[in-house]
Amino acid sequence: SQTIHQWPATLVQPVGSPLSLECTVEGTSNPNLYWYRQAAGRGLQLLFYSVGIGQISSEVPQNLSASRPQDRQFILSSKKLLLSDSGFYLCAWSTGRNLMGNTIYFGEGSWLTVV
Amino acid sequence: AQSVTQLDSHVSVSEGTPVLLRCNYSSSYSPSLFWYVQHPNKGLQLLLKYTSAATLVKGINGFEAEFKKSETSFHLTKPSAHMSDAAEYFCVVSYGGSQGNLIFGKGTKLSVKP
Repeated sequence: SQTIHQWPATLVQPVGSPLSLECTVEGTSNPNLYWYRQAAGRGLQLLFYSVGIGQISSEVPQNLSASRPQDRQFILSSKKLLLSDSGFYLCAWSTGRNLMGNTIYFGEGSWLTVV
Repeated sequence: AQSVTQLDSHVSVSEGTPVLLRCNYSSSYSPSLFWYVQHPNKGLQLLLKYTSAATLVKGINGFEAEFKKSETSFHLTKPSAHMSDAAEYFCVVSYGGSQGNLIFGKGTKLSVKP
């Protein structure tokens, strides 16, 4: 069966510090990978998605970036965090190029507090 | 533009009473529809999905949802609420095509009173 892991689960970072959130998927190959952010009182916002190694699409311009160095690994990064980067970050995966009928599966999330 | 609307931001029910969480979507063409549940500080878990097969979809934990094309609705129901159902629920619409075409509702927080 497929599983998704993301870490760390929680972190508190000072403004201006770097960020690295990691996500890995097991039990499938060539998944579509996603990073979402869920800010307090808001819905989910798609940040990045990837359909293959080295292929990253950005949905929202910001000081965050994403990389996919391996087929089942997706990394969310920042060189300098802002207070507004605080939130709950969710990694997710799906199969197939077309989302119609395909399900997105989510990790357990990472709470980021920028102080 | 495609959209999804969860009509209630907060629903409160007593344990053992029915649950109704409402979701409407805009209709350019037939979408896939999903309901996810999120317990506090957790990721989203798939409850059920509709993909143009049977219009009444049964999911986990006794939840079900009915796709009504004429009303562009996909409301989530459960006959009898349990305390463990207290969580936030998201209605999600997929119109297929590019990866960005997955639209999340704002969420409905369900509270269950003893």
